[in-house]
Amino acid sequence: GAGVSQSPSNKVTEKGKDVELRCDPISGHTALYWYRQSLGQGLEFLIYFQGNSAPDKSGLPSDRFSAERTGGSVSTLTIQRTQQEDSAVYLCASSLPTASLRVNYEQYFGPGTRLTVT
Amino acid sequence: DAKTTQPPSMDCAEGRAANLPCNHSTISGNEYVYWYRQIHSQGPQYIIHGLKNNETNEMASLIITEDRKSSTLILPHATLRDTAVYYCIVRAGNSGGSNYKLTFGKGTLLTVNP
Repeated sequence: GAGVSQSPSNKVTEKGKDVELRCDPISGHTALYWYRQSLGQGLEFLIYFQGNSAPDKSGLPSDRFSAERTGGSVSTLTIQRTQQEDSAVYLCASSLPTASLRVNYEQYFGPGTRLTVT
Repeated sequence: DAKTTQPPSMDCAEGRAANLPCNHSTISGNEYVYWYRQIHSQGPQYIIHGLKNNETNEMASLIITEDRKSSTLILPHATLRDTAVYYCIVRAGNSGGSNYKLTFGKGTLLTVNP
């Protein structure tokens, strides 16, 4: 079946511009996660959605970062006034719902969006 | 979550079994062992997970020692496409607190040679 999809696959932007990254999770996966991976680094958690609500935004590095999810499906990560240190691969993952049963399900990742800020 | 220790790199001949070890000596009773891999320029890919029994799926087998302090991921017939960084992760079985977060270490770079 269809996996997690992300767009664009690559994005080059100038410092100071805003960017939007999109994630389309696996159908039926109400839990959605954003991570980022800087060059040679491990994954850094950014935000977690259960349905349309984001109970955990603790990983967002600054108030320039925001994310939303509508219809319990597609999510958009927005970075305002991009800085060079924002350059990274932004990964989205989805899983079966975790909240109600408090079960930790495996997460399935998309291919990522490579963001380069010049 | 408990920490894991993996060798930084391993080599394997194509067609042979690849056995990737992981130590997790401080694992708790409710923590599972998960394996993911990341092929160059792709997102991480879920492989398998287990609690205490050995597990097998279409991708790999997971062997967990009786004391659960270590495990081995086995790719029975490695191919060139299995070249990737393999991550062993210990993760709670419940999603309470912030247990849903995945924390990847440095993993093992497996290189499958022709």
